[in-house]
Amino acid sequence: AQRVTQPEKLLSVFKGAPVELKCNYSYSGSPELFWYVQYSRQRLQLLLRHISRESIKGFTADLNKGETSFHLKKPFAQEEDSAMYYCALSGPLRGSNYKLTFGKGTLLTVNP
Amino acid sequence: SAVISQKPSRDICQRGTSLTIQCQVDSQVTMMFWYRQQPGQSLTLIATANQGSEATYESGFVIDKFPISRPNLTFSTLTVSNMSPEDSSIYLCSVGKGGWAFFGQGTRLTVV
Repeated sequence: AQRVTQPEKLLSVFKGAPVELKCNYSYSGSPELFWYVQYSRQRLQLLLRHISRESIKGFTADLNKGETSFHLKKPFAQEEDSAMYYCALSGPLRGSNYKLTFGKGTLLTVNP
Repeated sequence: SAVISQKPSRDICQRGTSLTIQCQVDSQVTMMFWYRQQPGQSLTLIATANQGSEATYESGFVIDKFPISRPNLTFSTLTVSNMSPEDSSIYLCSVGKGGWAFFGQGTRLTVV
């Protein structure tokens, strides 16, 4: 069975500090991994996907197949990064099958 | 990208009644997905709605409780039937396009 684990329910850092939100997964095969973010009173939106290998809003995430992890990192946190972050997993995105399995989420608070 | 509109954005309903949630997409998509997010929990997939066929339900969800319609390629409805307080959740519609999964703003349902 596929599973996504985000061990930290809450994470609090100061502005300018590095931040790492942990995500571990369980999947037999080659998964697609994503990070979604939900700012206060806004809809869920895609932040990163591992196949893109891009940096969005200063965030990066590297897929480590050996450790089955997809941790989200940012070297210098900003107050506007405060939000709920969800790690999500899917099987290969064939056709239009976009079924996702989500972790429980980590609420990041960046203090001034 | 895909823009998704959900109606209603929130509702308070009496137990034993039913609520139908609408999801409208700005482009044609083959599959639409319905998720539930219970208080303090992550998103859980309820079912996949294909146009022209019956929805496919995930384990723990049944058609009698969550009937789904998919009359065309841009629209779907999810009904929460015979509601109880345990159905109080946020219900989200999702579609996939171009390797991205997009979400509606959600319907916040409170059952009293």
